[in-house]
Amino acid sequence: AQSVTQLDSQVPVFEEAPVELRCNYSSSVSVYLFWYVQYPNQGLQLLLKYLSGSTLVKGINGFEAEFNKSQTSFHLRKPSVHISDTAEYFCAVSVEETSGSRLTFGEGTQLTVNP
Amino acid sequence: DSGVTQTPKHLITATGQRVTLRCSPRSGDLSVYWYQQSLDQGLQFLIQYYNGEERAKGNILERFSAQQFPDLHSELNLSSLELGDSALYFCASSATWDRDYLYEQYFGPGTRLTVT
Repeated sequence: AQSVTQLDSQVPVFEEAPVELRCNYSSSVSVYLFWYVQYPNQGLQLLLKYLSGSTLVKGINGFEAEFNKSQTSFHLRKPSVHISDTAEYFCAVSVEETSGSRLTFGEGTQLTVNP
Repeated sequence: DSGVTQTPKHLITATGQRVTLRCSPRSGDLSVYWYQQSLDQGLQFLIQYYNGEERAKGNILERFSAQQFPDLHSELNLSSLELGDSALYFCASSATWDRDYLYEQYFGPGTRLTVT
């Protein structure tokens, strides 16, 4: 079974500051990794994904994440945040299945960007 | 807009009742997933259907059931409702014709269920 740990439940930052949201996973098999964002009263939107290849992946809205196999981490970063980035962010993993695979989510990190 | 639709948006019902949540996946997506989001349990996978067949089960209670119809829409049935079933229920779908997109799940806006 897989599990995901998001190390910070809340991250407050000032506008234009850099941010890192931390995610560690545990799995006995190779995993695929994702970051989703949830704005208030909305569904989840895919920010970025890692399936294979380059360990640095870029996503939407200026976010990027780095897959580190030895540290089993997939931290999300943005060099300069905006007020509009205030949302809850979820790290998730899945494994290879021929018809698609369930997502196992972390507990979420609430990012609050203050002016 | 993810292309996944869910109805209704909100549902308020009493304990002991039964409700049906509906999901229409993105056009052409064969896989449908159901998730429950609650404050105490977070986001949990319930069940997956692929082209009409149950493919995987997660933490789904026996009082809950789902199905996927020939037109690929899916329904989640919740019965003998308890206060603890109050949650946001999400449906997601994924494309299955390309490995790069097989694992991307697109989420609907959710159905907020309140059991009183």
